[in-house]
Amino acid sequence: EIVLTQSPGTLSLSPGERATLSCRASQTVNSNYLAWYQQKPGQSPRLLIFDASSRATGISDRFSGSGSGTDFTLTISRLEPEDFAVYYCQQYGSSPLTFGGGTKVEIK
Amino acid sequence: QVRLVQSGAEVKKPGASVKVSCKASGYIFTNYYIHWVRQAPGQGLEWMAIVSPSGGSSTYAQNFRGRVTMTRDTSTNTVYMELSSLRSEDTAIYYCARVSSGSGYYDCWGQGTLVTVSS
Repeated sequence: EIVLTQSPGTLSLSPGERATLSCRASQTVNSNYLAWYQQKPGQSPRLLIFDASSRATGISDRFSGSGSGTDFTLTISRLEPEDFAVYYCQQYGSSPLTFGGGTKVEIK
Repeated sequence: QVRLVQSGAEVKKPGASVKVSCKASGYIFTNYYIHWVRQAPGQGLEWMAIVSPSGGSSTYAQNFRGRVTMTRDTSTNTVYMELSSLRSEDTAIYYCARVSSGSGYYDCWGQGTLVTVSS
């Protein structure tokens, strides 16, 4: 099973700042099949990025994904108030599908 | 629009079973796999199982084999997840999620069903 490690656990930033979230895999993620989700309190996760770097429908271009192999990054270029949430990465290149433990982006 | 609507919250005693439903609308039900993912209070996401709405076949995560059963009803576009031998550690929000065609990421999620296991 591929273990995904997200860092940092918590990111304290101010609106307008840039956020950089990391997701590291214990093995190569086949075909860079990695997704990012955003989850706000009391809500279901929402797809942001798939295939490591493709934005989902309706997602702001402030969100971008990059990386390959075992190292992946989600970047939020300029934090808006609605971006403060928990972010999860997920790999779907190997069975079983696995998620990272999450990064909480909080207001500083 | 594409929607997945789940059944309401449940409270169960240890050792009991729970059955959660997930009703799909807005797309061709048999064309997309449905997965179940759970989230314990304050914790991350855990993949549980996948079910094929067309053929009904299922694959389960090792942690749940022997305790979870997936079924579907194509006449009502509904998928069911039944978890047996409940223990307190099964207290969680259970989500159904649709897998984007030909891939493995989730493009639509249900609203979640809170299952509480308590004596």
